[in-house]
Amino acid sequence: AQSVAQPEDQVNVAEGNPLTVKCTYSVSGNPYLFWYVQYPNRGLQFLLKYITGDNLVKGSYGFEAEFNKSQTSFHLKKPSALVSDSALYFCAVRDIRADSSYKLIFGSGTRLLVRP
Amino acid sequence: EPEVTQTPSHQVTQMGQEVILRCVPISNHLYFYWYRQILGQKVEFLVSFYNNEISEKSEIFDDQFSVERPDGSNFTLKIRSTKLEDSAMYFCARGGGSGLGTQYFGPGTRLLVL
Repeated sequence: AQSVAQPEDQVNVAEGNPLTVKCTYSVSGNPYLFWYVQYPNRGLQFLLKYITGDNLVKGSYGFEAEFNKSQTSFHLKKPSALVSDSALYFCAVRDIRADSSYKLIFGSGTRLLVRP
Repeated sequence: EPEVTQTPSHQVTQMGQEVILRCVPISNHLYFYWYRQILGQKVEFLVSFYNNEISEKSEIFDDQFSVERPDGSNFTLKIRSTKLEDSAMYFCARGGGSGLGTQYFGPGTRLLVL
């Protein structure tokens, strides 16, 4: 079965410090991985994706993610956190089985809290 | 500018009532998805719709749910007889042209069943 895991319910970081939100995946075949962010009472906003190519993917709002095949991880990172980055972050993998509709399978989410 | 819009933004209904949630894509796409998020929890797949037909549905998507594209543009999710546990945020998403592209989500409809 295809799945992603986000081992941390919450990550706390001080503004200006680097942040990492962890995600590991389990898929058969090559993974299609995504990060989405959800601000309070809002929809899901696409941040970035990994399909193939460079292991370091750059996305919106200064975020980047590193794909690590040997560790089956796709951690989200940002060099310097902002208070406005405080939100709920979801890692997702695309279901690419032959009989699937390419739906997304989401992790449980990680709440990022950036304190001033 | 959202890729899709959803109406209503909020809906409160009584248990056993029917609700219709609407999704309107900004431009023509073939792939659509409905997902559900119970308050603050995981986002769960409900159903996918390709070329005006259901292509996949989850275990959650039982006989109480239906989806259609009645006029070729609006895309609706109907819950025939709502239950308390249907209270959730419902998101519509449109997929990329090949189905493998990025999925872009609408702002969601918050449904509260009393």
